[in-house]
Amino acid sequence: RKEVEQDPGPFNVPEGATVAFNCTYSNSASQSFFWYRQDCRKEPKLLMSVYSSGNEDGRFTAQLNRASQYISLLIRDSKLSDSATYLCVAYNAGNMLTFGGGTRLMVKP
Amino acid sequence: DTAVSQTPKYLVTQMGNDKSIKCEQNLGHDTMYWYKQDSKKFLKIMFSYNNKELIINETVPNRFSPKSPDKAHLNLHINSLELGDSAVYFCASSQDQASGRGQFFGPGTRLTVL
Repeated sequence: RKEVEQDPGPFNVPEGATVAFNCTYSNSASQSFFWYRQDCRKEPKLLMSVYSSGNEDGRFTAQLNRASQYISLLIRDSKLSDSATYLCVAYNAGNMLTFGGGTRLMVKP
Repeated sequence: DTAVSQTPKYLVTQMGNDKSIKCEQNLGHDTMYWYKQDSKKFLKIMFSYNNKELIINETVPNRFSPKSPDKAHLNLHINSLELGDSAVYFCASSQDQASGRGQFFGPGTRLTVL
Protein backbone atom coordinates (compact mmCIF):
# COMPACT_ATOMS: atom_id res chain seq x y z
CA ARG A 1 0.00 0.00 0.00
CA LYS A 2 1.36 3.42 -0.94
CA GLU A 3 1.95 5.78 1.94
CA VAL A 4 -0.10 8.57 0.34
CA GLU A 5 -2.89 7.54 -2.01
CA GLN A 6 -4.91 9.61 -4.44
CA ASP A 7 -7.40 8.91 -7.21
CA PRO A 8 -5.38 9.62 -10.36
CA GLY A 9 -8.44 10.90 -12.24
CA PRO A 10 -8.72 12.63 -14.62
CA PHE A 11 -11.52 14.73 -13.26
CA ASN A 12 -13.16 16.49 -16.20
CA VAL A 13 -15.31 19.41 -15.05
CA PRO A 14 -16.88 22.44 -16.74
CA GLU A 15 -15.77 25.95 -15.90
CA GLY A 16 -17.49 27.23 -12.81
CA ALA A 17 -17.96 23.80 -11.28
CA THR A 18 -16.96 22.81 -7.76
CA VAL A 19 -14.63 19.84 -7.56
CA ALA A 20 -13.18 17.96 -4.62
CA PHE A 21 -10.15 15.71 -4.37
CA ASN A 22 -9.46 13.27 -1.59
CA CYS A 23 -6.28 11.74 -0.31
CA THR A 24 -5.51 9.15 2.36
CA TYR A 25 -2.26 8.60 4.19
CA SER A 26 -1.09 5.52 6.06
CA ASN A 27 1.58 6.91 8.39
CA SER A 28 -0.22 8.12 11.50
CA ALA A 29 3.00 9.86 12.58
CA SER A 30 2.76 12.29 9.65
CA GLN A 31 3.03 15.76 11.07
CA SER A 32 2.12 18.21 8.33
CA PHE A 33 0.30 18.09 5.07
CA PHE A 34 0.31 20.08 1.89
CA TRP A 35 -1.29 20.33 -1.51
CA TYR A 36 1.05 20.98 -4.41
CA ARG A 37 0.10 21.76 -7.97
CA GLN A 38 2.08 20.48 -10.95
CA ASP A 39 1.45 21.71 -14.48
CA CYS A 40 2.42 19.54 -17.44
CA ARG A 41 6.23 19.34 -17.80
CA LYS A 42 6.72 21.80 -14.94
CA GLU A 43 7.88 21.58 -11.36
CA PRO A 44 5.52 21.06 -8.40
CA LYS A 45 4.53 24.29 -6.67
CA LEU A 46 3.15 24.63 -3.17
CA LEU A 47 -0.55 25.43 -3.34
CA MET A 48 -1.40 25.45 0.34
CA SER A 49 -0.72 23.86 3.68
CA VAL A 50 -3.47 21.79 5.30
CA TYR A 51 -4.48 22.38 8.90
CA SER A 52 -6.69 20.31 11.20
CA SER A 53 -9.07 23.22 11.58
CA GLY A 54 -9.44 23.50 7.83
CA ASN A 55 -8.15 26.44 5.86
CA GLU A 56 -9.22 28.48 2.90
CA ASP A 57 -7.28 30.43 0.29
CA GLY A 58 -9.59 32.14 -2.14
CA ARG A 59 -11.45 29.47 -4.09
CA PHE A 60 -9.45 26.66 -2.47
CA THR A 61 -10.36 24.94 0.79
CA ALA A 62 -8.26 22.22 2.41
CA GLN A 63 -9.34 19.92 5.21
CA LEU A 64 -7.51 17.38 7.35
CA ASN A 65 -9.15 14.57 9.31
CA ARG A 66 -6.47 12.97 11.47
CA ALA A 67 -8.80 10.32 12.88
CA SER A 68 -9.56 9.01 9.41
CA GLN A 69 -6.14 9.92 8.01
CA TYR A 70 -7.81 11.77 5.20
CA ILE A 71 -7.10 15.06 3.43
CA SER A 72 -9.27 16.92 0.98
CA LEU A 73 -9.03 19.84 -1.41
CA LEU A 74 -12.11 21.67 -2.64
CA ILE A 75 -11.95 24.03 -5.61
CA ARG A 76 -14.91 26.33 -6.14
CA ASP A 77 -15.79 28.16 -9.36
CA SER A 78 -13.20 26.22 -11.39
CA LYS A 79 -11.18 28.16 -13.95
CA LEU A 80 -9.51 26.85 -17.10
CA SER A 81 -6.21 27.75 -15.46
CA ASP A 82 -6.91 25.31 -12.62
CA SER A 83 -6.21 22.43 -15.03
CA ALA A 84 -3.19 20.66 -13.56
CA THR A 85 -2.19 17.69 -11.43
CA TYR A 86 -2.76 18.15 -7.71
CA LEU A 87 -0.33 16.37 -5.41
CA CYS A 88 -1.21 15.45 -1.85
CA VAL A 89 1.87 15.51 0.38
CA ALA A 90 2.60 14.30 3.91
CA TYR A 91 5.57 15.45 5.96
CA ASN A 92 7.01 12.83 8.28
CA ALA A 93 9.49 12.86 11.08
CA GLY A 94 12.80 12.25 9.41
CA ASN A 95 12.32 15.40 7.35
CA MET A 96 10.73 13.69 4.40
CA LEU A 97 7.94 14.81 2.15
CA THR A 98 6.01 11.84 0.77
CA PHE A 99 4.05 12.61 -2.36
CA GLY A 100 0.90 10.96 -3.60
CA GLY A 101 0.68 10.05 -7.25
CA GLY A 102 -1.42 13.11 -8.03
CA THR A 103 -4.94 13.75 -9.24
CA ARG A 104 -5.32 15.21 -12.70
CA LEU A 105 -7.91 17.94 -13.16
CA MET A 106 -9.11 19.15 -16.54
CA VAL A 107 -11.43 22.15 -16.59
CA LYS A 108 -13.28 22.51 -19.88
CA PRO A 109 -14.95 25.64 -21.34
CA ASP B 1 15.27 35.99 -10.23
CA THR B 2 14.87 32.22 -10.26
CA ALA B 3 14.64 30.91 -6.70
CA VAL B 4 15.83 27.36 -7.42
CA SER B 5 17.69 26.80 -10.67
CA GLN B 6 18.98 23.63 -12.28
CA THR B 7 21.26 22.95 -15.20
CA PRO B 8 20.95 21.46 -17.67
CA LYS B 9 17.24 21.42 -18.38
CA TYR B 10 17.57 18.52 -20.79
CA LEU B 11 20.21 15.82 -20.84
CA VAL B 12 20.40 13.08 -23.45
CA THR B 13 23.23 10.61 -23.11
CA GLN B 14 24.32 7.05 -23.79
CA MET B 15 24.26 4.18 -21.33
CA GLY B 16 27.45 3.88 -19.36
CA ASN B 17 28.28 7.59 -19.42
CA ASP B 18 28.81 9.75 -16.33
CA LYS B 19 26.86 12.99 -16.01
CA SER B 20 26.23 15.77 -13.49
CA ILE B 21 23.26 18.00 -12.75
CA LYS B 22 23.76 21.25 -10.88
CA CYS B 23 21.35 23.01 -8.56
CA GLU B 24 21.49 26.40 -6.91
CA GLN B 25 19.03 28.22 -4.65
CA ASN B 26 19.10 31.92 -3.80
CA LEU B 27 16.46 31.76 -1.07
CA GLY B 28 18.90 31.50 1.80
CA HIS B 29 17.45 28.10 2.70
CA ASP B 30 19.36 25.64 4.84
CA THR B 31 18.04 22.41 3.35
CA MET B 32 18.19 21.07 -0.21
CA TYR B 33 16.84 17.92 -1.83
CA TRP B 34 16.99 15.78 -4.93
CA TYR B 35 13.85 14.04 -6.16
CA LYS B 36 13.26 11.66 -9.05
CA GLN B 37 9.97 11.68 -10.97
CA ASP B 38 9.56 8.62 -13.14
CA SER B 39 7.37 8.03 -16.17
CA LYS B 40 4.42 7.22 -13.89
CA LYS B 41 4.83 10.68 -12.36
CA PHE B 42 5.63 9.50 -8.83
CA LEU B 43 7.96 11.91 -7.04
CA LYS B 44 10.41 10.17 -4.75
CA ILE B 45 13.03 11.72 -2.56
CA MET B 46 16.60 10.61 -3.18
CA PHE B 47 18.76 12.80 -0.94
CA SER B 48 18.52 15.68 1.48
CA TYR B 49 21.27 17.97 2.72
CA ASN B 50 21.10 20.40 5.60
CA ASN B 51 23.84 23.00 5.75
CA LYS B 52 26.04 20.87 3.49
CA GLU B 53 25.51 17.72 5.54
CA LEU B 54 23.72 14.65 4.24
CA ILE B 55 20.60 13.96 6.33
CA ILE B 56 18.52 11.73 4.07
CA ASN B 57 19.82 9.05 1.76
CA GLU B 58 17.02 6.90 0.48
CA THR B 59 17.60 3.58 -1.20
CA VAL B 60 19.43 4.91 -4.20
CA PRO B 61 22.18 3.06 -6.12
CA ASN B 62 25.63 4.26 -5.14
CA ARG B 63 26.13 5.31 -8.75
CA PHE B 64 24.32 8.47 -7.60
CA SER B 65 26.51 10.77 -5.54
CA PRO B 66 25.31 14.15 -4.29
CA LYS B 67 27.75 16.91 -3.43
CA SER B 68 27.05 20.12 -1.57
CA PRO B 69 29.94 22.59 -1.78
CA ASP B 70 27.92 25.14 0.22
CA LYS B 71 24.38 25.41 1.48
CA ALA B 72 23.21 27.18 -1.69
CA HIS B 73 24.35 24.40 -4.02
CA LEU B 74 23.56 20.71 -4.30
CA ASN B 75 24.87 18.85 -7.31
CA LEU B 76 24.08 15.31 -8.40
CA HIS B 77 26.64 13.14 -10.15
CA ILE B 78 25.56 9.91 -11.80
CA ASN B 79 28.05 7.26 -12.84
CA SER B 80 27.54 4.48 -15.37
CA LEU B 81 24.11 5.66 -16.48
CA GLU B 82 21.46 3.00 -17.08
CA LEU B 83 18.24 3.03 -19.11
CA GLY B 84 16.21 3.01 -15.89
CA ASP B 85 17.78 6.30 -14.82
CA SER B 86 15.70 8.10 -17.45
CA ALA B 87 13.39 10.42 -15.51
CA VAL B 88 12.94 14.01 -14.48
CA TYR B 89 15.19 15.02 -11.59
CA PHE B 90 14.01 17.88 -9.41
CA CYS B 91 16.07 19.84 -6.96
CA ALA B 92 14.22 21.53 -4.10
CA SER B 93 14.96 23.60 -1.04
CA SER B 94 13.25 24.44 2.22
CA GLN B 95 13.95 26.94 4.94
CA ASP B 96 15.00 24.27 7.40
CA GLN B 97 14.76 20.57 8.07
CA ALA B 98 11.31 20.86 9.52
CA SER B 99 9.83 21.63 6.07
CA GLY B 100 6.82 22.99 7.85
CA ARG B 101 6.58 25.68 5.24
CA GLY B 102 6.82 23.34 2.26
CA GLN B 103 9.53 23.09 -0.35
CA PHE B 104 10.42 25.09 -3.43
CA PHE B 105 11.29 23.12 -6.54
CA GLY B 106 13.61 23.84 -9.43
CA PRO B 107 12.36 23.49 -13.01
CA GLY B 108 13.66 19.93 -13.34
CA THR B 109 16.24 18.17 -15.49
CA ARG B 110 14.81 15.73 -18.01
CA LEU B 111 17.35 12.93 -18.35
CA THR B 112 17.09 10.49 -21.23
CA VAL B 113 19.48 7.55 -21.35
CA LEU B 114 19.74 5.85 -24.74
